[in-house]
Formats: sequence, C-alpha cells, structure tokens
Amino acid sequence: KQEVTQIPAALSVPEGENLVLNCSFTDSAIYNLQWFRQDPGKGLTSLLLIQSSQREQTSGRLNASLDKSSGRSTLYIAASQPGDSATYLCAVEVASGSRLTFGEGTQLTVNP
Amino acid sequence: NAGVMQNPRHLVRRRGQEARLRCSPMKGHSHVYWYRQLPEEGLKFMVYLQKENIIDESGMPKERFSAEFPKEGPSILRIQQVVRGDSAAYFCASSPLYGSSGYTFGSGTRLTVV
Repeated sequence: KQEVTQIPAALSVPEGENLVLNCSFTDSAIYNLQWFRQDPGKGLTSLLLIQSSQREQTSGRLNASLDKSSGRSTLYIAASQPGDSATYLCAVEVASGSRLTFGEGTQLTVNP
Repeated sequence: NAGVMQNPRHLVRRRGQEARLRCSPMKGHSHVYWYRQLPEEGLKFMVYLQKENIIDESGMPKERFSAEFPKEGPSILRIQQVVRGDSAAYFCASSPLYGSSGYTFGSGTRLTVV
C-alpha cells in the first residue's frame, strides 16, 4: 500500500528565504508525482507535475525534484513571499488514470 | 475552459437528510475522482468513475454513500441519512482519458451536518 509522508508538517520562515519541502513515498513504482497548493477553505491548485521518467520540473520560483529509487521528492521555493503562505500537498499516482495518494501536507507561513 | 465545476460550494444538512454533490469535469476529461478532506486531515480517495462506469470505489464507505457519472450531465456524489461525521470538504478532480497531464481539482463542496 502506497503511503506518502511530508516533512515538516509546518514551517514558518521570514520573507525572502529559500526553503525546501520534503515528500517521501513507500512504493517507488509510481507513474508521476504532483505538487499542489491549498489555500485555507479553498480547492487545490496544481503547481508542478513530474513524470516518473523525469528528474525535475521548474515553474518560476518553484523547482520540484524526483528521486524514484529513494522514494523522495522535494519542492524548492526560492525567495519566498507572504503570498506563498499556504498548505503544500504532495501526491503520487501509481498508474495512468489511477487514484492519487496524498501526503498530509506542509503548512507554510511566510512572514513579512 | 471553465475548469472543474463543483456545486454547491457550501451545503448544510440536518442529520438524517440527503446530500447531493455535483461535479462537472473539465472539457475533454472523461475520468472523475472524488476525494474527501475531513477537518485537520489529508485528502482521502473515495471513488473513481468514467462515464456510466464505476472503476474503483474502494475508498467509499460501505453504507449511505454512492456515486454516479451518467452519460449526460455531471457526476453526483450522494450521501444518504447524513451524520455529523460526514461534515467535510468533498473535492472532485478530473483527468484526460489517455496519458496523464495531471489532475485538475474543483473548488470543493463544504458539507456541514447540523
């Protein structure tokens, strides 16, 4: 059974700091991994999708890496801003079109 | 492209009533997934549907919950005889038929049972 863990559960940083969020999964046979952002009381916004054959994806100040063999992914946020404050969720898909298994999320607060 | 549309955004039901949650997938998407997020918990898979077919319902509670995705119209998640423990945010996601460009989520329906 696939399990996804995210560390830390919560993180508070001053504005401008670079930070790393961690995600680990127990079964390395994944199809892809997706990072989402969730604002309080809102839905999920997709940030980055990494296919199993890829090592990383970048979008603006965000960079996500994937190491399938070790069952790990990291989300790197450069030059954090207060607007980045949200819960960040990691989810893995084990086969095309199958369900997503989510981690519990990292609640990020960026202080001005 | 309107994205994944869920309605209502908020739903209040008294214990014992029925709740119906609707989800219209993105245009061109034929896979629909329902997830539940209980207060202070992560998202848990409930059911995966294609048009007129339930593909995987292993995450659905055995009683009171049902889902459908008819040939025409939105997908419906139905909860009969709601109880306080059903209070949660229910999210719908959709994806294309072939390949995987990731999932697109709706804004969710927040169900409160009073």
